[in-house]
This record gives sequence, C-alpha cells and structure tokens, in this order.
Amino acid sequence: TQLLEQSPQFLSIQEGENLTVYCNSSSVFSSLQWYRQEPGEGPVLLVTVVTGGEVKKLKRLTFQFGDARKDSSLHITAAQPGDTGLYLCAGSGGSNYKLTFGKGTLLTVNP
Amino acid sequence: NAGVTQTPKFRILKIGQSMTLQCTQDMNHNYMYWYRQDPGMGLKLIYYSVGAGITDKGEVPNGYNVSRSTTEDFPLRLELAAPSQTSVYFCASPPAGLGGVETQYFGPGTRLLVL
Repeated sequence: TQLLEQSPQFLSIQEGENLTVYCNSSSVFSSLQWYRQEPGEGPVLLVTVVTGGEVKKLKRLTFQFGDARKDSSLHITAAQPGDTGLYLCAGSGGSNYKLTFGKGTLLTVNP
Repeated sequence: NAGVTQTPKFRILKIGQSMTLQCTQDMNHNYMYWYRQDPGMGLKLIYYSVGAGITDKGEVPNGYNVSRSTTEDFPLRLELAAPSQTSVYFCASPPAGLGGVETQYFGPGTRLLVL
C-alpha cells in the first residue's frame, strides 16, 4: 500500500510570510499532484509533476518533485489570505487507475 | 460544460435507511471515482470505474455499491446507512483528452449525515 504523509498538518501564518509544505512517501510515484480545497468545495488541481527533480512555478507557488520521485514540496512566497485552504498531495503509480491522497495541510493566512 | 455534477448537496439519513448519491460527468471520460472525506482526513477511494460496465473496489468499499451503465453516470448506493458513513462524498473524473488519472476534476460534493 502506498502512503503519502503531509507535514505540517496545520499552518497559521501572517500575510506576507513564506511557507513550505511537504509530502513524503517511502514509495516511488510515477507522478504527483497538488490540489487545493476550499471549505464546502471539491479539490481543485494546482499542478502535476512527473519528472524527478522537476520544479514548476505557478505565480507565487513553487512545486518540486524529489529526485527519487518519493517526495514533493510546495513553497508559497508572500502568502495572501486568498491562499487559505486545504492543500492535498496525491500520487499515481502502482496502479494506473488510482490516486493515493495525503491527509492534507490546512493553511490559514491571516490579514 | 459543467464537468462533474453531484446530487444531492446535503442529506440526513436515519440508521438503516438507504439512498443513492448521483454523479454525472459531461467530459466523456471512461474513468470515474468515488471518494469520501472525513474531518481532518484526506480522500479515501471507495469505488472506481474504468468504463461502462466495469467497476472495482477502492480502499473503503464496505457498505457501498456502485453501477456504471453509461459513460456519463456513476451512482453510489448506500443500502443500510450507519453513523460511520457520515462524511462528505466526492465524485471525480479526468477531463476529456487525458488518458490517465493524473488530473481529476471533482464534483462539489454531497454532505451526508447519518443519525
């Protein structure tokens, strides 16, 4: 069974601060996704990383896939209240049909 | 193009009652998934389907049943509701043109409370 562990579980910061969220596993994934979920809504895909060592940027968000394709990180620069939400990582691999989700990091950015 | 739609948005059931959660996608993709999300937890896969007439169990299938008679619809059935099934249920499907599971579009969810 493939497991994804996210840390920290909760994060509360002030507007303008930087933060990093981690997603780790002992298993190798063929790709890894990051989703953001706002209260009362379904998760929305932010990015997919597929190559070991890959770095992708989405405005103030930087995503990195580990060289061994077992871990990933999400870095947010100058966080804004609009970044508040539950950040979920998910990996595919082992079975081509299914995603494995982490438990998520609940981020609160205070004005 | 609505993507993935789910009904109802919210439902209260009594223990032992049954209900069907509806999911419809208009992206014409073969893959569809049902997840449940408990407070403070990530998403757990209940059932999935790789095409009409083909379904398979996920991580937490007990207490649920599914069917897939068309590409568009993937209903989830609860036969004997139990308090442990109180959760938020999400249906998902990849968008048109993508063959694998890497990208999943989620519906808005059904919040179920079993008392």
